[in-house]
Amino acid sequence: DAGITQSPRHKVTETGTPVTLRCHQTENHRYMYWYRQDPGHGLRLIHYSYGVKDTDKGEVSDGYSVSRSKTEDFLLTLESATSSQTSVYFCAISEDRSSYEQYFGPGTRLTVT
Amino acid sequence: KQEVTQIPAALSVPEGENLVLNCSFTDSAIYNLQWFRQDPGKGLTSLLLIQSSQREQTSGRLNASLDKSSGRSTLYIAASQPGDSATYLCAVIGGGFKTIFGAGTRLFVKA
Repeated sequence: DAGITQSPRHKVTETGTPVTLRCHQTENHRYMYWYRQDPGHGLRLIHYSYGVKDTDKGEVSDGYSVSRSKTEDFLLTLESATSSQTSVYFCAISEDRSSYEQYFGPGTRLTVT
Repeated sequence: KQEVTQIPAALSVPEGENLVLNCSFTDSAIYNLQWFRQDPGKGLTSLLLIQSSQREQTSGRLNASLDKSSGRSTLYIAASQPGDSATYLCAVIGGGFKTIFGAGTRLFVKA
């Protein structure tokens, strides 16, 4: 299994509070991704990174920001959490530029009350 | 806009049966297609990746095929086992890192 950890694994927070989720990899892969998984919508890409300090928006980026100051860490921040952001968040990594094969972390279950 | 559809949404089969899961996509301009397995409450496990220039990939009892021109991929599972019970997801990766997932097929293999 690829060395990907996510923290926290579970979090309950209140509407309007800031939340930061962390993805940490030990594979030294260049590309990192944040997805959310919701019933009825499947997995959707939020943001991705193609190198340190290089990030871009995915399909559902509104309300989220990301940062990558080191190769191994990719942070996802909800500046002011809303109930619609209750979801399971997955981090993924990839390295091979010819295939972009992705490997996923265990996920973070976030509940916004 | 790329759309990915997986059929059937759910499937229940007796142990030992061979089965086929389907994935279709609307835009044939893809880099690759990746099949995943997801167990309840867990992350995704990569099963097979087919690059756009390839027709099929095999790993053990799994075989995935890709027909870009028709916008279809199939995942063939031979001699199914109860341990194969999970949700199977296909993902299409296009330009600009755009990865679009299907909704998945929930498979239940009865002992």
